[in-house]
Amino acid sequence: NAGVMQNPRHLVRRRGQEARLRCSPMKGHSHVYWYRQLPEEGLKFMVYLQKENIIDESGMPKERFSAEFPKEGPSILRIQQVVRGDSAAYFCASSPGLDTGELFFGEGSRLTVL
Amino acid sequence: RKEVEQDPGPFNVPEGATVAFNCTYSNSASQSFFWYRQDCRKEPKLLMSVYSSGNEDGRFTAQLNRASQYISLLIRDSKLSDSATYLCVVVSNTGKLIFGQGTTLQVKP
Repeated sequence: NAGVMQNPRHLVRRRGQEARLRCSPMKGHSHVYWYRQLPEEGLKFMVYLQKENIIDESGMPKERFSAEFPKEGPSILRIQQVVRGDSAAYFCASSPGLDTGELFFGEGSRLTVL
Repeated sequence: RKEVEQDPGPFNVPEGATVAFNCTYSNSASQSFFWYRQDCRKEPKLLMSVYSSGNEDGRFTAQLNRASQYISLLIRDSKLSDSATYLCVVVSNTGKLIFGQGTTLQVKP
């Protein structure tokens, strides 16, 4: 039973380019969370999705960032026109439902903006 | 005020020591509470849940005080392998998991 799969593990982009980060949740999990972690800082909540629905996006920057979790395929975190401040580790986590606090995390995608 | 606050440390302790971490949360409607562990540059993993009655898992004891909105984690007989960052997690009534910034523990030989 594969865990949460994130790709790419490492991504380098120049300022102004787009970054797309993918997350495949664990089998049977319908809830996906995205978190951002800056160096030497904690995990910051970005967005919480179910299949085809955004449940809570209160942590998403208002511009340039978007997330989706389609009926088929992985969840995608998209960052348009990246800036240096977007450099961070982006962790995806999944859970089977609302009534559990156990999240299963992927290994993270490390974005570096040059 | 941050939703979940922790002392970032680092806590430097010798092997065998007992160490305690604290965490406070601001939303009294929070539903449930957890401690996660994160090793350097790796993904966080669930350490243990936190129940109102307190709960123990081997050398680890977690406590919750709802009245004071305070959570603690006690580690007895520290091992070198306990060195990590410990993250306090609070689940809101909407299901959102909010992480504290973490407390770093370094256990020295």
